[in-house]
Amino acid sequence: GAGVSQSPSNKVTEKGKDVELRCDPISGHTALYWYRQRLGQGLEFLIYFQGNSAPDKSGLPSDRFSAERTGESVSTLTIQRTQQEDSAVYLCASSLTEYTEAFFGQGTRLTVV
Amino acid sequence: KNEVEQSPQNLTAQEGEFITINCSYSVGISALHWLQQHPGGGIVSLFMLSSGKKKHGRLIATINIQEKHSSLHITASHPRDSAVYICAVQNPKNTGNQFYFGTGTSLTVIP
Repeated sequence: GAGVSQSPSNKVTEKGKDVELRCDPISGHTALYWYRQRLGQGLEFLIYFQGNSAPDKSGLPSDRFSAERTGESVSTLTIQRTQQEDSAVYLCASSLTEYTEAFFGQGTRLTVV
Repeated sequence: KNEVEQSPQNLTAQEGEFITINCSYSVGISALHWLQQHPGGGIVSLFMLSSGKKKHGRLIATINIQEKHSSLHITASHPRDSAVYICAVQNPKNTGNQFYFGTGTSLTVIP
């Protein structure tokens, strides 16, 4: 596609269930970033991929969060045993290299009930 | 001190008014982004700037690299423009891009 695509756009899940959020970056983009924004708060960094490797995982808030990237393309952010505090908009961005301009997806709004 | 400061934090305008939202930053950047977040939570990328000025419909974004300042203007504002507008900067580091986000400007346009 022409831009960064995230799916689903909205996700409602029950507390304790696992969820997977998907990001399809622009084709050929080697760098991929995940951020989240909880209600009433600013955007916070979660994880960054260069190729399929994640040199910076410092932002993952707990061991319930994991992310992977395959084929230097799609990335999946997985949240296990979701908690209400995980409710947020999860935003993905990609860039051609780790030093070039980035493009943002539309975000996935996760609601844990 | 935050690396990205936005002003105002909240803004209420009458329909038709010209609106300006400001963003100042303190780090070196390779690009600056303006994002729009509607009450439903979806985020839309409005502009990506590294110099000069861009225009899209009623929206105009400018950046002054020397002054480390950007502005987002909305002409002939409309209630559907009501949203949170977020300024984000890309700061290139040896380990890759570092993003810094402003806290957002909440805009309400009254009919």
